[in-house]
Order: sequence, then C-alpha cells, then structure tokens
Amino acid sequence: GAVVSQHPSWVICKSGTSVKIECRSLDFQATTMFWYRQFPKQSLMLMATSNEGSKATYEQGVEKDKFLINHASLTLSTLTVTSAHPEDSSFYICSARQTGSNQPQHFGDGTRLSIL
Amino acid sequence: AQKITQTQPGMFVQEKEAVTLDCTYDTSDPSYGLFWYKQPSSGEMIFLIYQGSYDQQNATEGRYSLNFQKARKSANLVISASQLGDSAMYFCAMREGYNNAGNMLTFGGGTRLMVKP
Repeated sequence: GAVVSQHPSWVICKSGTSVKIECRSLDFQATTMFWYRQFPKQSLMLMATSNEGSKATYEQGVEKDKFLINHASLTLSTLTVTSAHPEDSSFYICSARQTGSNQPQHFGDGTRLSIL
Repeated sequence: AQKITQTQPGMFVQEKEAVTLDCTYDTSDPSYGLFWYKQPSSGEMIFLIYQGSYDQQNATEGRYSLNFQKARKSANLVISASQLGDSAMYFCAMREGYNNAGNMLTFGGGTRLMVKP
C-alpha cells in the first residue's frame, strides 16, 4: 500500500536553530501534501497545504516566514521551522494521498520537535 | 462552528466487548468522505475505515465498522471484540469535495480509548 516517509522522527535542538523536516511519498506521486501540528493530547491542526511546483497555502494564524514549505518534486515536501523557539516544540506530521475518491490520506510517522 | 465533533474525550471498554466512538459532522457539500484514524502513543496515524457520502452501505473493515447515519450527520465507529492493542486515540475526519487529491482533512478532537483487561 501507499507509504509516506517522514524524517527525522525526533529532533532536539537549541533555540534559534532552523530545523528541516522531510516528507516523502514512497510509491505514489503526490501533487499535494499536508502539514499538521499536534500538541499533546490535542487533535491535529492543519498548518499548510503543500503544492508541487507552487507556493504553499497556509492556514490562518500560521506564519509562512516561520514555517517554510518547499514541494520541489512529486514525491518530496519539506517543512523548515526557521529560528525555532521553545514554543515551536510540538509534533509535526505530514500526509499525502493518491488520487481517487476513496483513497485515504497516508500519514508519515511524525516528527517530535523539542527546542531547548 | 465545528465541522467534526467527537463528544467523548475518553472511554473505557472491557476487553472482548464492543465499543462505539461517536462522531458528528457538519457540511453543506453533498460530496464528502468520512475517515477514522487510530493514533497509538507512538504517534503514527493509522487509517482504519472510510465512508463516502454516496455509499449506500455502512463500511466495514475487519473488526471496525462505521455506523453511517446521513440524515443525522453521524459516522460512529464501532470496534467489535476489543483488544488491549486497541487502546489509543481515535480521530474522526472529513474531506469535503469528491475525488480531489487537494482536499484537506478536517479532524475532530479525538477520543482516547482505553481497553481494560
């Protein structure tokens, strides 16, 4: 079945560091990928929709200069948290889906980001 | 207004018993899809079951079934014969629009299910 790979799975870094998270669709092409953020014991909140070859669409309240998204190919989207601070610590998860009405979104395993 | 509502923040169920997790939704789009995902403590999202708005029958996948009541806008997940490994967060989600890979999912707040031995 369709698989989405997300890397790294865990990041701990100092405040002020920029962190890049990769999301790859392994056996299908994904013109659109999604980036979610999840705080402990809360639901997933959509941050942005990543579109191959064009600018990402950000949800209200998400700083596009803080969370840079690059979808350079049909199988790869990256999320870069620029100049990360402790309040950016969270669980970030990406997803993509194959075309087809009943195709679910397939999720990466997520990235736990801890900013010290 | 919330598009997806899960009214049960947490639930206990005895092992081997069935459990129903509630989900109601709100949309004016006649074409939509409803999904349930399981999220264990490790964090990954596991797809469980899908129901399309035009599907005539309730979806079933092994021990999972979806009680789809379109007029009530509810899509409850039924897990039969609960197992200890079913303990996890469960999310109901909706995608509005039909057959469009760009349509995002909207998630409910989740229900934490705990299976007692």
